[in-house]
Amino acid sequence: QSVLTQPPSASGTPGQRVTISCSGSGSNIGSNPVSWYQHLPGTAPKLLIYTNNRRPSGVSDRFSGSKSGASASLAISGLQSEDEADYYCAAWDDSLNGHVLFGGGTKLTVL
Amino acid sequence: QVQLQESGPGLVESSQTLSLTCTVSGGSIKSADYYWSWVRQHPGKGLEWVGYIYYSGNTYYNPSLKSRITISINTSRNHFSLKLSSVTVADTAVYHCARVPRFSYDYYFDSWGQGTLATVSS
Repeated sequence: QSVLTQPPSASGTPGQRVTISCSGSGSNIGSNPVSWYQHLPGTAPKLLIYTNNRRPSGVSDRFSGSKSGASASLAISGLQSEDEADYYCAAWDDSLNGHVLFGGGTKLTVL
Repeated sequence: QVQLQESGPGLVESSQTLSLTCTVSGGSIKSADYYWSWVRQHPGKGLEWVGYIYYSGNTYYNPSLKSRITISINTSRNHFSLKLSSVTVADTAVYHCARVPRFSYDYYFDSWGQGTLATVSS
């Protein structure tokens, strides 16, 4: 079973803007919305972005999402130390009668 | 605000059945607006969707796990459960439960439990 492709790591300094990519195919990102999650091990993952670019209430506007074709991106502006975490993209995949796919995760380090 | 809490034995012997429960508080599991899902994370790895259940009892499972999974719901106790049969060490993971808003056009997890580690001994 394939996963959505994310870079394993990303980094930035406080105040910088960082982008995390998520690459899929026509059966998942290419035809279904993307969501993004922030996860610190040992805690509950947190929804950051849904329906490609919508933020739940309470999520900082420093987080933004976009999608083009079969790829999506999460941007974090004004990077802060508390943003250091793992980030995952997800999308429904229409193959195999349908299932949810996650990206492999990106570990963000704030230098 | 809804909260989800996983519970279950931390250690299961290989070939046995793993049983976990997710207790929902701050909201009704009988809501027509949500699915209730399980997601797992293998040690050092990414997230893997396991399956979901609707309050009516309708289920949908990850095709790669379908033959071994049963997800059930207990509306009177406001919890739902996962049973994974014939486990191997490859099923060792942190298991999260999560809530999914029921839309026809999107599928995402808006609330999560912190997860429970289930270790399979060989």
